Amino acid sequence: DGGITQSPKYLFRKEGQNVTLSCEQNLNHDAMYWYRQDPGQGLRLIYYSQIVNDFQKGDIAEGYSVSREKKESFPLTVTSAQKNPTAFYLCASSIFLWGNYGYTFGSGTRLTVV
Amino acid sequence: AQKITQTQPGMFVQEKEAVTLDCTYDTSDQSYGLFWYKQPSSGEMIFLIYQGSYDEQNATEGRYSLNFQKARKSANLVISASQLGDSAMYFCAMREGDGGTSYGKLTFGQGTILTVHP
Repeated sequence: DGGITQSPKYLFRKEGQNVTLSCEQNLNHDAMYWYRQDPGQGLRLIYYSQIVNDFQKGDIAEGYSVSREKKESFPLTVTSAQKNPTAFYLCASSIFLWGNYGYTFGSGTRLTVV
Repeated sequence: AQKITQTQPGMFVQEKEAVTLDCTYDTSDQSYGLFWYKQPSSGEMIFLIYQGSYDEQNATEGRYSLNFQKARKSANLVISASQLGDSAMYFCAMREGDGGTSYGKLTFGQGTILTVHP
């Protein structure tokens, strides 16, 4: 079945460490997105990519980095520069269609700083 | 400036009754799309309904309908005949722009927690 796979489901990070969250899709979608969700809050856009080897900063990109070397993969690295990384991270993808773009979301990764 | 506003942090409804979740938006684009998502405690995002800015009819999907008032920039979600399984967080989201040049990132509101009582 087609979909988006995020791994791991839960991730613990020590202070000062970089961690990478995986996002893989087999939907042949061109665009991919990373969102951050804090408890009781909405989703905020971190980075997005419309094509391979190209990506754009979202509203809260500081302390994060991404790569898009393959259409299927859009990993997110949470660097030590991100001062408050504990949050729920959601990856999404979309295909260009007129109107309802058919966004698909992964099941998320919960990151906790210990 | 906040582009999507959901003013109801929490809502309660009796099972089998209807409930309206409010959403107002702000954009200068003529072409945009409005979405509602449901997020249960598991965290997954479930697409409920979509309304395009040029759609003249209000969108409906089963028990969900979207009350689209373009002049007031509101896109309220109406859930009819509430069920216990409807208890979740609900998000309104907007995609600005269209016209074949953008894949369209979504901007989300803060969400409304809906609790359905038996």
